[in-house]
Amino acid sequence: GAGVSQSPRYKVAKRGQDVALRCDPISGHVSLFWYQQALGQGPEFLTYFQNEAQLDKSGLPSDRFFAERPEGSVSTLKIQRTQQEDSAVYLCASSLMLGNTEAFFGQGTRLTVV
Amino acid sequence: DQQVKQNSPSLSVQEGRISILNCDYTNSMFDYFLWYKKYPAEGPTFLISISSIKDKNEDGRFTVFLNKSAKHLSLHIVPSQPGDSAVYFCAASPLAYETGTASKLTFGTGTRLQVTL
Repeated sequence: GAGVSQSPRYKVAKRGQDVALRCDPISGHVSLFWYQQALGQGPEFLTYFQNEAQLDKSGLPSDRFFAERPEGSVSTLKIQRTQQEDSAVYLCASSLMLGNTEAFFGQGTRLTVV
Repeated sequence: DQQVKQNSPSLSVQEGRISILNCDYTNSMFDYFLWYKKYPAEGPTFLISISSIKDKNEDGRFTVFLNKSAKHLSLHIVPSQPGDSAVYFCAASPLAYETGTASKLTFGTGTRLQVTL
């Protein structure tokens, strides 16, 4: 596709439910990032993939958060046993090459935990 | 602690005038800085960037200034247009050659710009 695509756009989960958020990066983009944006805040880094390798997961807030990119393209962010503080917009971004090329962001998935 | 700070949550500017958005950072490892623009219900869109070897980068109506000694950067938009109304995020990262890979971005909390007619 022309841009980074995320699905679903909106997700309402009951507390304790598991959720899976999908990201389709721009074709051929090597780097893929997940960010979490709470209301009124800037995006905060969660994790980074270079192709299929997860090189940095230092931003994942707890072991309930898990991300994968098994074939180096589509990525899934999974949150187990969701809690209210997980409510946020989850943004995926991809960039073509290594280095400081600008990252292209998807529209995000708004997760609301009730 | 907030490593990238945008102290003005909002800014209102008349159409045709200059908009100046400010950003301060505390981490000396940051060497690359970017501005992103965000409309409601959309993801951030890259606007302009600057590396620490420069003090100015210009792209059309947008200019970013970097004062490394003060750990301060600013985005100037001139002339401002109604379509510029959005939230602007400042972001920073270490230079990639120091890490060997693409670098995660550290964002500020954003400044909402309103350009009035």
